[in-house]
Amino acid sequence: AQSVTQLDSQVPVFEEAPVELRCNYSSSVSVYLFWYVQYPNQGLQLLLKYLSGSTLVKGINGFEAEFNKSQTSFHLRKPSVHISDTAEYFCAVSEVDSSYKLIFGSGTRLLVRP
Amino acid sequence: DARVTQTPRHKVTEMGQEVTMRCQPILGHNTVFWYRQTMMQGLELLAYFRNRAPLDDSGMPKDRFSAEMPDATLATLKIQPSEPRDSAVYFCASGFEGRQPQHFGDGTRLSIL
Repeated sequence: AQSVTQLDSQVPVFEEAPVELRCNYSSSVSVYLFWYVQYPNQGLQLLLKYLSGSTLVKGINGFEAEFNKSQTSFHLRKPSVHISDTAEYFCAVSEVDSSYKLIFGSGTRLLVRP
Repeated sequence: DARVTQTPRHKVTEMGQEVTMRCQPILGHNTVFWYRQTMMQGLELLAYFRNRAPLDDSGMPKDRFSAEMPDATLATLKIQPSEPRDSAVYFCASGFEGRQPQHFGDGTRLSIL
């Protein structure tokens, strides 16, 4: 069975500072990896995904993530955050052979302060 | 932009009442997902439909929950009878052929008193 761990429940950061949100996964089979963002009172929006190929994935809003198979990690980064990046961020994994089923982490709340 | 539409956005009702949540998937999408989000459990997949047929409802409590797709433009999730522990935000998502990404609606915030 797969699992996703987001160790940081909340990450406070000042505007224009860099940020990294950590995600580690556990799976015995090949996986796809995703980052979603959830703004207050809204559904989840896909930020980026890793399916195959280059391990550095670029997404929307200036975010990127790097797939590290040996460390089973998929950390999300942004070099300079904005107030508008304040939201909940979810890491998710799915098996390649049953890709419809997303397993979500518990989420990390990014709080950007002026 | 095409969007997944969920109604109602908010629902408050007393325990024991029937609750029906509706979802209109994006036109052309043939897969629909129902998720439940709570503080304690996070996001959980309740049901997965493909071409209107339920393929995975292993995450759904069978005694009181039911999910259907009367047609390709409407998915419903019913709870009967509702209980306070059903209070959560219920999300619908749609996609194509079960592939990622899934497109999420804005959710139904359900409170059972």
